[in-house]
Amino acid sequence: DAGITQSPRHKVTETGTPVTLRCHQTENHRYMYWYRQDPGHGLRLIHYSYGVKDTDKGEVSDGYSVSRSKTEDFLLTLESATSSQTSVYFCAISGGSTDTQYFGPGTRLTVL
Amino acid sequence: AQTVTQSQPEMSVQEAETVTLSCTYDTSESDYYLFWYKQPPSRQMILVIRQEAYKQQNATENRFSVNFQKAAKSFSLKISDSQLGDAAMYFCAYRSPYGGATNKLIFGTGTLLAVQP
Repeated sequence: DAGITQSPRHKVTETGTPVTLRCHQTENHRYMYWYRQDPGHGLRLIHYSYGVKDTDKGEVSDGYSVSRSKTEDFLLTLESATSSQTSVYFCAISGGSTDTQYFGPGTRLTVL
Repeated sequence: AQTVTQSQPEMSVQEAETVTLSCTYDTSESDYYLFWYKQPPSRQMILVIRQEAYKQQNATENRFSVNFQKAAKSFSLKISDSQLGDAAMYFCAYRSPYGGATNKLIFGTGTLLAVQP
């Protein structure tokens, strides 16, 4: 299994509070991604990174920001959480010869 | 824009039987990658199988195989000798071949597979 961890694994927060989710990899892969999973939508890309300090938006980026100051860490921040951001968040990484994406264990976020 | 469609929200199979999950996609690209991911109740996303569009031969991984019909833009997953541990949500996904900023996955909405003992 690819070395990907996410923290926290579960979080309950209140509307309007800031939240930061962390993805950490030990594979030294160049690409990192944040997806959210919601019933009826599969997984949808929020933001991705193609190198340190190089990030770009995905299809559902509104209300989210990201940062990548080191190859191994990719942070997802909800500046002011809303109930619509209640979801399961997955980090993924890719690199190497196949460029296949491998996923972390996910974080369940509940915004009350 | 590319889209992926899984038209079967739920399916059921008897243990030891064979089941086929359907996936269709839409793209104007001639080369691309297709994937099946499995998500058991643990929530972990597990890669099941990978197909490169330029390869004519269907990919296989033990009891899992695909039927890739490029002209029809169809990518079905066949699970043979189904086991209780195969019970999960299965997602079909598409990726462009060019890497870099286009290296994102586009997912279908998933098929929930139940395995009956």
